[in-house]
This record gives sequence, C-alpha cells and structure tokens, in this order.
Amino acid sequence: DAKTTQPNSMESNEEEPVHLPCNHSTISGTDYIHWYRQLPSQGPEYVIHGLTSNVNNRMASLAIAEDRKSSTLILHRATLRDAAVYYCILRGGDYGGSQGNLIFGKGTKLSVKP
Amino acid sequence: DSGVTQTPKHLITATGQRVTLRCSPRSGDLSVYWYQQSLDQGLQFLIQYYNGEERAKGNILERFSAQQFPDLHSELNLSSLELGDSALYFCASSAPTGGYGYTFGSGTRLTVV
Repeated sequence: DAKTTQPNSMESNEEEPVHLPCNHSTISGTDYIHWYRQLPSQGPEYVIHGLTSNVNNRMASLAIAEDRKSSTLILHRATLRDAAVYYCILRGGDYGGSQGNLIFGKGTKLSVKP
Repeated sequence: DSGVTQTPKHLITATGQRVTLRCSPRSGDLSVYWYQQSLDQGLQFLIQYYNGEERAKGNILERFSAQQFPDLHSELNLSSLELGDSALYFCASSAPTGGYGYTFGSGTRLTVV
C-alpha cells in the first residue's frame, strides 16, 4: 500500500515553476522521501530524495516540512520535457531489507503547456 | 545509459511459452528489483534480491520466478505465459538503504500473443 498521497494531475505553463505536493503523515523516523518521474514508455527516473533537510540538485528541489509529514517537489522552470508522472515514495532505511523497497502509487501526472 | 542493462528490449511470444528476462545492475549495486507495468497500469513490485538472496516478494505470480547470480546479474523467468502477462518489465538496482536512489533500466516489453 502506498503511504503517500498526491494529486492525480497538475498543469503547468512552460518556463514557470511547478510545486508538486505530497503528504506522508505516517512517515517513520528512518523513512527517506524519494521522488521519481516516468515519461511515457520509459523506465522511472530518479529525481531527488531527502530525509529531513531541504535538498537541491540539477533537476529539482525538495522542500520537506518540519514535521516531515509533507514535502514538495519544486521544478524551477518547467519545460515540455518535464511532462511526466511524478511519484513521491517513502523508502525505509534498513540495510538490504524489504522496507527499503519502493512501492509506487499512482503519482501525479504533470502536463506542461507551451 | 542509466547503468542498468535489460535484455531483450522487446519480446513476442505465444501463450503457454516460457521466457527469461535479464538484468545487469549498475556497477557496485548489490540490490536488484523487478517491476511489472501493464498497459495504463501502475508499477507493481514483483521481487527483490540482495547479493544473491531473495529479500522481498510483492505481487509476483507463482508462474514467475527470479534469481540473482554471483556476478549480481538477475534473471526473471516467466512461464505458462498468458495474454495478461503482456507488459513492460523493469529492473532496477540500488544500494540497499533508503539514502540511495534506484536506477531503472529501460525495460523489456513483453507481448504474449
């Protein structure tokens, strides 16, 4: 069972920032927050992950609430190539165990308008 | 190239047949995961291996089996194939802790006719 809640779909305009929300109210202290995206007919692609602090990389930023019960993936300037399904997933921190598996929910389908 | 190699990319076979899908993980990753994605369906976790040992099972049918070899490559065996087994099968690898991301392969598209 997915332990996160995301909107089914969102729309954005090209070159504008996009904020993709995710709720994970039952997160445990050792759960990492992972984001992946999947373009049509392609394998999922890692975007970013974090534990407690906000994180930035070349693709996106991840803002994590202080209580860790929600997070937001931020795409600073959406492009047409960012149109994809975005998945927010909790990944346990155990070493080699089943809690470290990624269980995908339905994600958020992001549409980007030119 | 993500570093995870899946072969073949496409496979067409008849009902009742058996096929083997192969996955080579990214260098250094000990964990391999298999996922199934049917048309317009979500990604279903099938099975996880860590350093040759099965660690977790998801929605994997009894007709399906997998193994991970000493060189860490993995194979997913699908037998007595049915039309409903037609799907994309993805392999991913990762270090086995939450602090690392998964790297997915480009998938094998299986069509059962």
